[in-house]
Amino acid sequence: DAKTTQPPSMDCAEGRAANLPCNHSTISGNEYVYWYRQIHSQGPQYIIHGLKNNETNEMASLIITEDRKSSTLILPHATLRDTAVYYCIVTYNFNKFYFGSGTKLNVKP
Amino acid sequence: DAGITQSPRYKITETGRQVTLMCHQTWSHSYMFWYRQDLGHGLRLIYYSAAADITDKGEVPDGYVVSRSKTENFPLTLESATRSQTSVYFCASHGASGNGGELFFGEGSRLTVL
Repeated sequence: DAKTTQPPSMDCAEGRAANLPCNHSTISGNEYVYWYRQIHSQGPQYIIHGLKNNETNEMASLIITEDRKSSTLILPHATLRDTAVYYCIVTYNFNKFYFGSGTKLNVKP
Repeated sequence: DAGITQSPRYKITETGRQVTLMCHQTWSHSYMFWYRQDLGHGLRLIYYSAAADITDKGEVPDGYVVSRSKTENFPLTLESATRSQTSVYFCASHGASGNGGELFFGEGSRLTVL
């Protein structure tokens, strides 16, 4: 499974878009990109996933570069409740979701 | 209600004791997982199971035992608890649909080993 690299922390102003990057330069063609978040000590929450194309749902958008070596999770209008740790995971094997350390997003008033 | 539940939510035990954390899901998902999360760190995969009677090691399996006699249950046992196993334990399940799919997590079991 490809390894991912994320910045340890980011700040975002409330109401602005939050853009969270993830580098996965060793990704292979059949590996999906997943994003999860964890608020406080709760269980992680699924946000979105994609293979090649950009994806959008009610929570976020996922932009995957054409070479698939990096991706960006976009929260279009961040709120204080979006303060959380965001995890980028790359896997083709649904047995193995490895979470890593993630990015702590701080949304500030 | 449908979902994934863990028990107990909180447990305090002593070094050397056996502890079992329970996980139950109502979706009949094939895949189930156990993770641990130490304070201030990300989740690490302990064990996973692809189906009843099929289990395999994750990143940090030492000191843990799992079983899966029924699809809906995936208990995690610490046969002789150590202080280093103090952590929050999360169970998850996955339906493994053809286009990918999401992990659903339980609320976690906070274990303290004295």
